[in-house]
Amino acid sequence: EVQLVQSGGGLVQPGGSLRLSCAASGIFVSNNYMSWVRQAPGKGLEWISLLDSGGNTYYADSVKGRFTISRDISKNTLFLQMSSLRAEDTAVYYCARAPLQLGFDYWGQGTLVTVSS
Amino acid sequence: DIQMTQSPSTLSASVGDRVTITCRASQSISTWLAWYQQKPGKAPKLLIYQASTLERGVPSRFSGSASGTEFTLTISSLQPDDFATYYCQQYNGYSRTFGQGTKVEIK
Repeated sequence: EVQLVQSGGGLVQPGGSLRLSCAASGIFVSNNYMSWVRQAPGKGLEWISLLDSGGNTYYADSVKGRFTISRDISKNTLFLQMSSLRAEDTAVYYCARAPLQLGFDYWGQGTLVTVSS
Repeated sequence: DIQMTQSPSTLSASVGDRVTITCRASQSISTWLAWYQQKPGKAPKLLIYQASTLERGVPSRFSGSASGTEFTLTISSLQPDDFATYYCQQYNGYSRTFGQGTKVEIK
């Protein structure tokens, strides 16, 4: 059974940093495409980042230069390092497996990030 | 960037109704389109991928179709469990884009 278990959300001040984690079981993050998707309160889904199996990274313009997606193969965990956070980054963040032919088939439970002073 | 325009934003329907949601891509995405169902406080659930392939375990009352850059999700007979928000999403290349969502409400 595939499980993606997220951790690391919380309250952070504008301009601050936060790192989200997504621990995988049943799959290996090293040979899968993995993504982060967020959802602001009461709003729709927004794709923000992709890490492919070759280690290449891709970002939405809204987070480019501020967020970094990465993985730790030994821990089978995906990360999202967020810096220079803004109020508009407040959202529930989801990790998901992102195979090229399917879209997003497995999702984490989501973690809330609140950017506020 | 590819934009996805989804309509309607809200849909009121009754149990047993046939429901159709449309998504239009701003450029060709072949059939690299997925549909998701999301309920409040939950992660989205993949329903359909490659425009018309049903994810395993998804009821057959859900179907998807494509015509050029226009894509359709149809629920043939709406069930109580289907009241939720639905999103389309393109995955043509590494950048992925969602539609704005359609909330299916009880009439």
